[in-house]
Amino acid sequence: DADVTQTPRNRITKTGKRIMLECSQTKGHDRMYWYRQDPGLGLRLIYYSFDVKDINKGEISDGYSVSRQAQAKFSLSLESAIPNQTALYFCATSDPRSLPYEQYFGPGTRLTVT
Amino acid sequence: SQQGEEDPQALSIQEGENATMNCSYKTSINNLQWYRQNSGRGLVHLILIRSNEREKHSGRLRVTLDTSKKSSSLLITASRAADTASYFCATSGGNQFYFGTGTSLTVIP
Repeated sequence: DADVTQTPRNRITKTGKRIMLECSQTKGHDRMYWYRQDPGLGLRLIYYSFDVKDINKGEISDGYSVSRQAQAKFSLSLESAIPNQTALYFCATSDPRSLPYEQYFGPGTRLTVT
Repeated sequence: SQQGEEDPQALSIQEGENATMNCSYKTSINNLQWYRQNSGRGLVHLILIRSNEREKHSGRLRVTLDTSKKSSSLLITASRAADTASYFCATSGGNQFYFGTGTSLTVIP
């Protein structure tokens, strides 16, 4: 089974709708991240969490919110989706206690807002 | 934005040739990592080089780092069709990772 899973894998929604993307991990890592990827712009950090009680904004947090329900679960919500939030969304985890301190990515959620 | 930039944006080579891609970044770093992404899938870590290292090897990968120029390069030797993917550099300073814009590599069989 995959260490980092994301649901749904694909989603089409309408402008103004609320949508939640979910991420679960079995790696036992404390740190979790949400990124969005747009063509030509690479990955940009939306939010990150270092434990259940620690949530931090990333580079592009406007229009998004997150919830860290447990060490293993980190959800991303779009309160009122807009078309320019159409993108590929990735969840990632990391464990700063272990080298090489890499990030482990989920398979991604392709979100389309019409 | 603290994102880095990769150069070139796209690279097409014949199987067996070497592929070189470059990354420039903006801030002081603790380490620099390279990741690979197959089309539409999650990124996979390839190699990490610390700020006090100048060169590192892993299999067919060779990474260099020049902190004075804030740049790094990734060399893939004897490329294979299976190396076709996008490659991203990522820097970490403080608590966050900053990814570059990526190089799309196509290896033609």
